[in-house]
Amino acid sequence: SQKIEQNSEALNIQEGKTATLTCNYTNYSPAYLQWYRQDPGRGPVFLLLIRENEKEKRKERLKVTFDTTLKQSLFHITASQPADSATYLCALCSNSGYALNFGKGTSLLVTP
Amino acid sequence: EAGVAQSPRYKIIEKRQSVAFWCNPISGHATLYWYQQILGQGPKLLIQFQNNGVVDDSQLPKDRFSAERLKGVDSTLKIQPAKLEDSAVYLCASSLDREETQYFGPGTRLLVL
Repeated sequence: SQKIEQNSEALNIQEGKTATLTCNYTNYSPAYLQWYRQDPGRGPVFLLLIRENEKEKRKERLKVTFDTTLKQSLFHITASQPADSATYLCALCSNSGYALNFGKGTSLLVTP
Repeated sequence: EAGVAQSPRYKIIEKRQSVAFWCNPISGHATLYWYQQILGQGPKLLIQFQNNGVVDDSQLPKDRFSAERLKGVDSTLKIQPAKLEDSAVYLCASSLDREETQYFGPGTRLLVL
């Protein structure tokens, strides 16, 4: 069966450090992968999209890597700030359709 | 630019009652999605519209859930009758087209007692 796995435990890091979140998937052939941020009581907000033929994407302090051989994406936030504290969701869009399939998300807490 | 609007924001009903949610997508967005997000889980797609046609409703429990998108703009999602396990946040999202970034509304938090 298809699975998208994200770190189930919350990630606690100190301000200024780099946060790295993991998204692993099985039985998917994703056309692209997206990362979203979700704050409590709000809908997800799009952050980055990376396509199957891309290895890395950057946007300001954010970096995403995509390894279709390992079936894994890594999401990095450099110079993290307390305002980065949120839940981060990984979502895959397969080649067979256009629907997004989301992981459960990883909660990130950045402490001063 | 106005975002995706949803109403109501909160709803409490008893099991076996019916409930309806409304969504107004971003102007010009052809694709509209309804997701169900249970506490501690990621959003799960219920139905996807392209203009006013259904693209994907494979995960919609059609015995109790229905949705429509009138004139390719606003959409309503209905549950009748509701079950306890329907307690969740119902998120509406829209995108310019099917492969584009999705913009989510704030969601409707439903509690079924």
